[in-house]
Amino acid sequence: EAQVTQNPRYLITVTGKKLTVTCSQNMNHEYMSWYRQDPGLGLRQIYYSMNVEVTDKGDVPEGYKVSRKEKRNFPLILESPSPNQTSLYFCASSSDRVSSSYEQYFGPGTRLTVT
Amino acid sequence: AQSVTQLDSQVPVFEEAPVELRCNYSSSVSVYLFWYVQYPNQGLQLLLKYLSGSTLVESINGFEAEFNKSQTSFHLRKPSVHISDTAEYFCAVSPNNAGNMLTFGGGTRLMVKP
Repeated sequence: EAQVTQNPRYLITVTGKKLTVTCSQNMNHEYMSWYRQDPGLGLRQIYYSMNVEVTDKGDVPEGYKVSRKEKRNFPLILESPSPNQTSLYFCASSSDRVSSSYEQYFGPGTRLTVT
Repeated sequence: AQSVTQLDSQVPVFEEAPVELRCNYSSSVSVYLFWYVQYPNQGLQLLLKYLSGSTLVESINGFEAEFNKSQTSFHLRKPSVHISDTAEYFCAVSPNNAGNMLTFGGGTRLMVKP
């Protein structure tokens, strides 16, 4: 089954304690992205990756890091989480091919609470 | 840069009534347009898209949207809603030279009442 998986699904942590949210896709997609969803703001892009070892900042990258060492994985790292990073996080992937119609496939989300 | 405005944050409607969810965008370049749907406690999934060709696009579950270039709009409509359509709907745009680079609107929560 084609899918994007994220772990963990729920996480409560304290300010300053480093954490990693994993994302993996099994569709051989070139493009992967991280978004955060906050009420009334829709989804805002944090980081994206066009392919292995190619990453770039989105609209709200402060406080986050990413890496793309393998095509299927795109972890999101919070080196020193703060309460304003409490949010619902989504990973997404898509193909670069025009024939794909640029449909993005989303993971189930990770709800992060930083106290 | 692109921006997307969804004018209604919540739309309550009775079952079997028609509904329109409004979406306006701003862009200095030509765009692709998308509607994504998020059912409770799930990720987003593509509902329909406009890339080129006919300005009226349809989904498999009865929704349709029309691209209006002069009004920079891409409103979503359904003639008769079901309880199962209760969800949050997101309008999104991307520049047509970078189709993966989505900018989302703030979302509209559709609440269908019996």
